[in-house]
Amino acid sequence: DIQMTQSPSTLSASVGDRVTITCRASQTISTWLAWYQHKPGKAPSLLIYKASSLESGVPSRFSGSGSGTEFTLTISSLQPDDFATYYCQHYNGDPWTFGQGTKVEIK
Amino acid sequence: EVQVVESGGGVVRPGGSLRLSCAASGFTFDNYAMTWIRQAPGKGLEWVSGINWNGGSTGYADSVKGRFTISRENAKNSLYLQMHSLRAEDTALYYCARIRGPHYYGSADYWGQGTLVTVSS
Repeated sequence: DIQMTQSPSTLSASVGDRVTITCRASQTISTWLAWYQHKPGKAPSLLIYKASSLESGVPSRFSGSGSGTEFTLTISSLQPDDFATYYCQHYNGDPWTFGQGTKVEIK
Repeated sequence: EVQVVESGGGVVRPGGSLRLSCAASGFTFDNYAMTWIRQAPGKGLEWVSGINWNGGSTGYADSVKGRFTISRENAKNSLYLQMHSLRAEDTALYYCARIRGPHYYGSADYWGQGTLVTVSS
């Protein structure tokens, strides 16, 4: 199975900060990668698919990049609504696997 | 408006069975693959199973293979997860989600609010 490793596990940041989360796959997955935002008590929401495509309705401050085994999610200017847990997920065949999550906290 | 609504969760004893359902609306159900994803208390997201648009192709996590069966009934816009031989480690909030496209290798673009399964004696 392909393992997905996110870093950091927790990130403390302030409103307006530029934030970068990294996801590493244990083997190449081309660009078959998605990023999700998850807030407590809510359903997860899709931010990015195919590594860099912005899901409809998602603010442009979110962007994704990478291919192969190294991927990043960047929030260009952190907003109060962005404090949440973020997960990467590969879909290069089954089983899908998620990263362990990155919790973005208020500094 | 696209909606997926899960039901069927509850408390079940170890070794027991449960059937989850997911009712979809607001989109052409048989154009899309579907998936079940779960989150155990205090843990991250875990993919459970996926099914393509016509039910002809399915996939399972190793942790549930042989115990869980995913199915769909396109005429009823419904997705199901039949769970047998339940274990304490199956305790989780189970989400139903639509996949962007007809094949279950894809990203999940619409999620329900989840249904809670608790396996406990």
